[in-house]
Amino acid sequence: GAVVSQHPSRVICKSGTSVKIECRSLDFQATTMFWYRQFPKQSLMLMATSNEGSKATYEQGVEKDKFLINHASLTLSTLTVTSAHPEDSSFYICSANGHTSYEQYFGPGTRLTVT
Amino acid sequence: AQSVTQLDSHVSVSEGTPVLLRCNYSSSYSPSLFWYVQHPNKGLQLLLKYTSAATLVKGINGFEAEFKKSETSFHLTKPSAHMSDAAEYFCVVGRGGGADGLTFGKGTHLIIQP
Repeated sequence: GAVVSQHPSRVICKSGTSVKIECRSLDFQATTMFWYRQFPKQSLMLMATSNEGSKATYEQGVEKDKFLINHASLTLSTLTVTSAHPEDSSFYICSANGHTSYEQYFGPGTRLTVT
Repeated sequence: AQSVTQLDSHVSVSEGTPVLLRCNYSSSYSPSLFWYVQHPNKGLQLLLKYTSAATLVKGINGFEAEFKKSETSFHLTKPSAHMSDAAEYFCVVGRGGGADGLTFGKGTHLIIQP
């Protein structure tokens, strides 16, 4: 149980275009979902926290107009990287937790490459 | 505010010998503490978690960690390393309720020598 999926697993896009990444909780309802970013050989940095039906809370230094987060249902959150640039290339990981657990369940990640 | 310091960026041990990965934390709240492992090109896997119950926490694959409040430490240990343990390990702190984002340490790369 407690499986989180991400789609796509890899995406390559051209500079200036937008790309959407989906995060789904497959067998539980996620009250809260989180988006992290991981640079090569570095740690994960929390980007934002999203609660179903409300606006996401962004961490300091994360541009909310560039990284659009939508949490439309208890099983789906999306991250849209708008007007992507090469410096946005990274590994994006989502996680989700339910009502009854301290644990966050992580998705497998999405590798974004902007050319 | 909360932070995590993993004291070693790389640890190398021989197969069959003990593993010690060090972690110190700071938190303004009663923390939840976790160890996650990340194998190359794979997602994060939870090894174990501390959430204010027993201070010695046993996890998967023979790993365990001890929460020491007086030392603000949560070191990860394993009695005997296996080749499959080679991976990146992250010490992570969260607020007690679990509804907030996690703060990750910089990671420790564990190398297992044959």
